[in-house]
Formats: sequence, structure tokens, C-alpha cells
Amino acid sequence: DTGVSQNPRHKITKRGQNVTFRCDPISEHNRLYWYRQTLGQGPEFLTYFQNEAQLEKSRLLSDRFSAERPKGSFSTLEIQRTEQGDSAMYLCASSLGDPFPYGYTFGSGTRLTVV
Amino acid sequence: DQQVKQNSPSLSVQEGRISILNCDYTNSMFDYFLWYKKYPAEGPTFLISISSIKDKNEDGRFTVFLNKSAKHLSLHIVPSQPGDSAVYFCAASDVGGSQGNLIFGKGTKLSVKP
Repeated sequence: DTGVSQNPRHKITKRGQNVTFRCDPISEHNRLYWYRQTLGQGPEFLTYFQNEAQLEKSRLLSDRFSAERPKGSFSTLEIQRTEQGDSAMYLCASSLGDPFPYGYTFGSGTRLTVV
Repeated sequence: DQQVKQNSPSLSVQEGRISILNCDYTNSMFDYFLWYKKYPAEGPTFLISISSIKDKNEDGRFTVFLNKSAKHLSLHIVPSQPGDSAVYFCAASDVGGSQGNLIFGKGTKLSVKP
């Protein structure tokens, strides 16, 4: 297992289109997180899964955003009717149980550009 | 309102000297603090953490200090190496309330010059 994998690495889309990103966590990790990072900012929490259950959602996650983790393995994040403000790096992370004191492992992210 | 603040956007240090990165927080409920390092085009990498019941944690060249009364923590890197050049993020969590949701600062870009 080589860590958390995210696909695609880059996505350019026209405003109004739908996009979907995929995250494959470290195989034994039961927790999966999605974060968003914009230029000059730190990562901002979007949502969190424990196994297949989505346990927490940030108010940043508008109705246009939906995340799933079927069977508690990989996860997808979909953005419908994209807007220019959605342009950001979308980061996925995973952990085995409580992510303290060792933190959780991030993937390299998917950079979304909405034109 | 930012709950985790890194007020220095950048820091430049000579190789072999000490790098000190600072972080302030406002929420007294935070009980874990972490530092992440990020290289361009990569995701953040976990560096070191500290529980609120401690005031110091050390791992090799990296030491994190926590001053709860001042709501301040710092990361010391000694000696600094050119490979340490990266953006460093401070993060905090209220484990009881958030189940692992981390709140990040904006980051400090460290440049270590040979």
C-alpha cells in the first residue's frame, strides 16, 4: 500500500458542469476525511466518514456537494453545477481510528479549476 | 474568525541554525495540536503533535512547545536543513466535539538557505 491515492490530480471544467473526484485511502484505515485548500489558506474541513457512515459535515459543504463512501473503502466527492469559487485543491486523508497522536495521512490532492 | 493563527507568512533561516515557527489559537477547548509540512504539489505530511496535557514533545530535530495560558505553540527545528524548506501548518482539534476534525492555520513558508 503506497498511501492515500487521489484521482484525477488535475481537473479543468466549465462553470455549471458536474465533477467527481475519487479517493482511495490506506486499506486498513477506517476513517476518511475531505478537506479543501484555496490559495494562501490552510486546509478546511469538509466532511468525515467512519467506515461507510458520513458522521460530520462542515457548513462549507453546500447542497451542491455530496460525498459517499460505499462499503467503507474508496470515497467520491461530487460537485454539481460548479462555480468559479469552487476552484481549489481538494484533499483526502485517512486514519486508523483516532488520529492522535500520529495525525492522519493526506493524499496529494485533486486541483480543480473552474473556468 | 480564525481559531488557529500563524501570523508569519514566511521565515528565512540559514542552514544549521534554529527555525522557530509560531502558532496562536483562541479556542481553549482544543486538546490536541499538530504540525504538518507541505511541499509543492504534494499533500500535507504529519510532522509532530502534542496533547494539551503536555508542554513539550520532541522527535529528533523537531520540538513542539505548548503554552496553554498564552494559547501559543511553537515548532523548533534544530539544526535547520535545506530539505526543511516547505510550508508548515499548525492544526488543532477538540477531540471530544469533532472526532478528529482539524482546524488549520494559514501556514508559514520556511526557506532554509545553504
